[in-house]
Amino acid sequence: NAGVTQTPKFQVLKTGQSMTLQCAQDMNHEYMSWYRQDPGMGLRLIHYSVGAGITDQGEVPNGYNVSRSTTEDFPLRLLSAAPSQTSVYFCASSYSLGGAYNEQFFGPGTRLTVL
Amino acid sequence: GQQVMQIPQYQHVQEGEDFTTYCNSSTTLSNIQWYKQRPGGHPVFLIQLVKSGEVKKQKRLTFQFGEAKKNSSLHITATQTTDVGTYFCAGHPGNTPLVFGKGTRLSVIA
Repeated sequence: NAGVTQTPKFQVLKTGQSMTLQCAQDMNHEYMSWYRQDPGMGLRLIHYSVGAGITDQGEVPNGYNVSRSTTEDFPLRLLSAAPSQTSVYFCASSYSLGGAYNEQFFGPGTRLTVL
Repeated sequence: GQQVMQIPQYQHVQEGEDFTTYCNSSTTLSNIQWYKQRPGGHPVFLIQLVKSGEVKKQKRLTFQFGEAKKNSSLHITATQTTDVGTYFCAGHPGNTPLVFGKGTRLSVIA
């Protein structure tokens, strides 16, 4: 199993550009989530999904969109990038049956810089 | 905002010294999870505690969950250079998705 994969690993954007961060898992996990990590701020939840077709907002959802058309994939879209979105983004997944109450498996992260 | 507080933010220890990080919530947590993130890496799950007063050990690591299920601690005995990284606690304050503390960054001086 590849676990949780994220692409790209690094990305530089200009203010106003859009892009999609990809996340996929091959463990048949129903719960998936996106976090951003900034120095001294820990991991903050952006959006999460408890299953295909179901998404919800986390602590810092503004400027980000998500969709969950399949169990495996959970892309994160930045519609109009801003310098404040410079961060490291982690995707995570876990078994259902309580979803977030189980061990979270994290992807390797995407380091995004917005100029 | 963050509802799971973690202290200290940084800890520098000499190799062989002990280390403890503390996690607190103003509301009852249904469970507490602990993760370790090596520099440049991603968080990796260490353990989950569910029961009030629960204590679990993993070699030199001891995890505790408070009686009121509002606090937790991670204690490392005789730190080694391989313990370097940031340790995060995470829990569910009330009926919320998983919330992470800001983490404690551990540096070990050989």
